[in-house]
Amino acid sequence: AQSVSQHNHHVILSEAASLELGCNYSYGGTVNLFWYVQYPGQHLQLLLKYFSGDPLVKGIKGFEAEFIKSKFSFNLRKPSVQWSDTAEYFCAAFERNTGKLIFGQGTTLQVKP
Amino acid sequence: EAQVTQNPRYLITVTGKKLTVTCSQNMNHEYMSWYRQDPGLGLRQIYYSMNVEVTDKGDVPEGYKVSRKEKRNFPLILESPSPNQTSLYFCASSLRVGYSNQPQHFGDGTRLSIL
Repeated sequence: AQSVSQHNHHVILSEAASLELGCNYSYGGTVNLFWYVQYPGQHLQLLLKYFSGDPLVKGIKGFEAEFIKSKFSFNLRKPSVQWSDTAEYFCAAFERNTGKLIFGQGTTLQVKP
Repeated sequence: EAQVTQNPRYLITVTGKKLTVTCSQNMNHEYMSWYRQDPGLGLRQIYYSMNVEVTDKGDVPEGYKVSRKEKRNFPLILESPSPNQTSLYFCASSLRVGYSNQPQHFGDGTRLSIL
């Protein structure tokens, strides 16, 4: 069965530090990949998505992610985090054959002012 | 305004008392889905629907039922709720998951407590 793994469960950074959150998926077929953010008490919002083409995708709020097919990875990056980036981040993979959308366990990011 | 509406937002109930959480979207989306969110486990897909009258099991369908009689509505039914179904539930929809430029829209969530 397909799975999505996020390696960092809880990350604490100071403002202006660079961020990289790891995401690996197990499915060998065609997948669409997503990163979502959930601010405290709110629903999930899409940060960015990869469907095809350029493996480096840019999203909202200065986030970007790189799809590396050979490593089955889709890591999220931001060069300089802000206190307002404090949230939980979820990586997700959509399996085109079945229509299933699988989420990772989530990474809680805490940014200290 | 494009939105996914879930009701109720909060519910405390007792074991065995049937309940339904409604989900409605106003975007004419084909794909709808239910997830539960639990600490340390992320979001897990319960059921999804690719279109009217088409539903499929996700990763954790046990104890849940769904129906898709019309495009806009996708209710989640707990016939005999148990305490292990205490969770935060999200409904989501998209034109078609994986369809370019059409992200999933999430509802605000329903927090269920089963005593």
